[in-house]
Amino acid sequence: GEDVEQSLFLSVREGDSSVINCTYTDSSSTYLYWYKQEPGAGLQLLTYIFSNMDMKQDQRLTVLLNKKDKHLSLRIADTQTGDSAIYFCAAPGRGGYQKVTFGIGTKLQVIP
Amino acid sequence: EPEVTQTPSHQVTQMGQEVILRCVPISNHLYFYWYRQILGQKVEFLVSFYNNEISEKSEIFDDQFSVERPDGSNFTLKIRSTKLEDSAMYFCASSGQGVYEQYFGPGTRLTVT
Repeated sequence: GEDVEQSLFLSVREGDSSVINCTYTDSSSTYLYWYKQEPGAGLQLLTYIFSNMDMKQDQRLTVLLNKKDKHLSLRIADTQTGDSAIYFCAAPGRGGYQKVTFGIGTKLQVIP
Repeated sequence: EPEVTQTPSHQVTQMGQEVILRCVPISNHLYFYWYRQILGQKVEFLVSFYNNEISEKSEIFDDQFSVERPDGSNFTLKIRSTKLEDSAMYFCASSGQGVYEQYFGPGTRLTVT
């Protein structure tokens, strides 16, 4: 089935850009998600991108999709301490668009 | 803004006991899901539910698990006889007609002792 991989940890200074990377295996995924989880909270859908797009921008967030390499990235411009959270890359699983497969999550630490 | 809610936030139970985790999805949503996250591991899909029946389930969702939509607002996950390895955070999610966006609740932390 679908497998989604991402690094565990990223540390950046406040004001810098953060780039969180993800790879996935199922090239038939029609869209990919980024979720954010703050301590003690649920999974907040940040953004998603359709597979026929290369880039999607939403305020400080930029999602880049390289379908050939099955690589997805989330760039957060001007990272703030409030951006400290775990970020999950996720993709619909094979055999059903309803099932979502998550990566392990990247913990973003923002240093003031 | 509408949101998915879950109760309780934390449930402690003894091995072998039955537990029911409750969720109230977003009111006009049609698709409902349960996921779980064992500490330190990935969020895993358990089951999806549409039109009053299970539409997809994972290998984890064996006959110890069941889901129900007992009324127009609640969506429940029942574990009949809990095991230590069922200890996890359980997330409910719902999505509307477009299906692309799944909205998650805050989770119920289940601790089996």
